[in-house]
Amino acid sequence: GEDVEQSLFLSVREGDSSVINCTYTDSSSTYLYWYKQEPGAGLQLLTYIFSNMDMKQDQRLTVLLNKKDKHLSLRIADTQTGDSAIYFCAERVTGNQFYFGTGTSLTVIP
Amino acid sequence: DTGVSQDPRHKITKRGQNVTFRCDPISEHNRLYWYRQTLGQGPEFLTYFQNEAQLEKSRLLSDRFSAERPKGSFSTLEIQRTEQGDSAMYLCASSLGGLVYGYTFGSGTRLTVV
Repeated sequence: GEDVEQSLFLSVREGDSSVINCTYTDSSSTYLYWYKQEPGAGLQLLTYIFSNMDMKQDQRLTVLLNKKDKHLSLRIADTQTGDSAIYFCAERVTGNQFYFGTGTSLTVIP
Repeated sequence: DTGVSQDPRHKITKRGQNVTFRCDPISEHNRLYWYRQTLGQGPEFLTYFQNEAQLEKSRLLSDRFSAERPKGSFSTLEIQRTEQGDSAMYLCASSLGGLVYGYTFGSGTRLTVV
């Protein structure tokens, strides 16, 4: 089956950039997504990228996709304490299922 | 915008009991999904409805699990004869048409089986 991997923890200082990485195994992914989950809450869609794109920028968020290496990253510029959360990458291969990574817990130190 | 609503938020039940959860999707969304999330893991797909038709089911959805969406609006997920391994967060999501823009998730129902 599909395997989506992320590092478990990331800690950054407020104002620095955060980079959260994700690797996936299925080369036929059509769309890749980043979701944010705050404690006790559901998942909030942050951004997505189509598999024929290399980069997408949306305000403080930059998504980079290296399709050859099956590597996806999310860069958050000027990280704020409100960005502290768990970040999930997800891929859509076919059908209506998303395959989620295990999540990266981002801690922003004031 | 009422978003995706799930009820209850928390449920504690004894092993062997049946439980039922409800999901109300965003009103104009025709697609509804159930996912399960265990501690420290990402969500795992359980099942998907388009309108009232259940079109996909995961192998995770054992015969103790049943989901319905009788009128193509709200959905229920029932777990019969609960086991401790069923303890998890059950997430509902909805979308309109294709999945380009991803799902909108509810806040989930946290089930604890004791």
